[in-house]
Amino acid sequence: EPEVTQTPSHQVTQMGQEVILRCVPISNHLYFYWYRQILGQKVEFLVSFYNNEISEKSEIFDDQFSVERPDGSNFTLKIRSTKLEDSAMYFCASSEEGGLVTQYFGPGTRLTVT
Amino acid sequence: DAKTTQPPSMDCAEGRAANLPCNHSTISGNEYVYWYRQIHSQGPQYIIHGLKNNETNEMASLIITEDRKSSTLILPHATLRDTAVYYCIVRPPGAGSYQLTFGKGTKLSVIP
Repeated sequence: EPEVTQTPSHQVTQMGQEVILRCVPISNHLYFYWYRQILGQKVEFLVSFYNNEISEKSEIFDDQFSVERPDGSNFTLKIRSTKLEDSAMYFCASSEEGGLVTQYFGPGTRLTVT
Repeated sequence: DAKTTQPPSMDCAEGRAANLPCNHSTISGNEYVYWYRQIHSQGPQYIIHGLKNNETNEMASLIITEDRKSSTLILPHATLRDTAVYYCIVRPPGAGSYQLTFGKGTKLSVIP
């Protein structure tokens, strides 16, 4: 069964450093998403991406965040200058279409900022 | 999106049916009810969704009341691997909003 994959599974970085989290969505999907979950808290939406453009973003997704689909298979989340409060699980998801259609999530990347 | 209310936790004996309730009294006519679960900090996993009619798939059944103000997710024969946080999410179809809004969900513990 096709699945969303994410790398790395765990990333440790120092405050102020840039990190790139990588995702390979399901191959025929057209919509891509990033969510995050701070330890013990709810899963929060960050951004959705379609046709090489951001289609929706939350207040969390400020100027330090960016997303990119650098080739036909990868979808990345970049955090430009990490802060301690960026420590969280980051989940990538994809769907065939936007709106109603089911989103399928990857296993997540645990980001630890020290 | 309509607000949902779920009990914070439930226990279920292994092999028995797990019935997880969700209240969505402010649901509007075109909003769907979605269920996801999250097993120990893994990525959320889609379970089932429905609009008005009851739905069943290989994982679970979804029972939506006639007035659509509440629903119940049924895991017919719970196993230890079903221990997870279960999220009920209500959202409208179509373009305009793609995000899933997760609440705190119900932590289901399946007990041997």
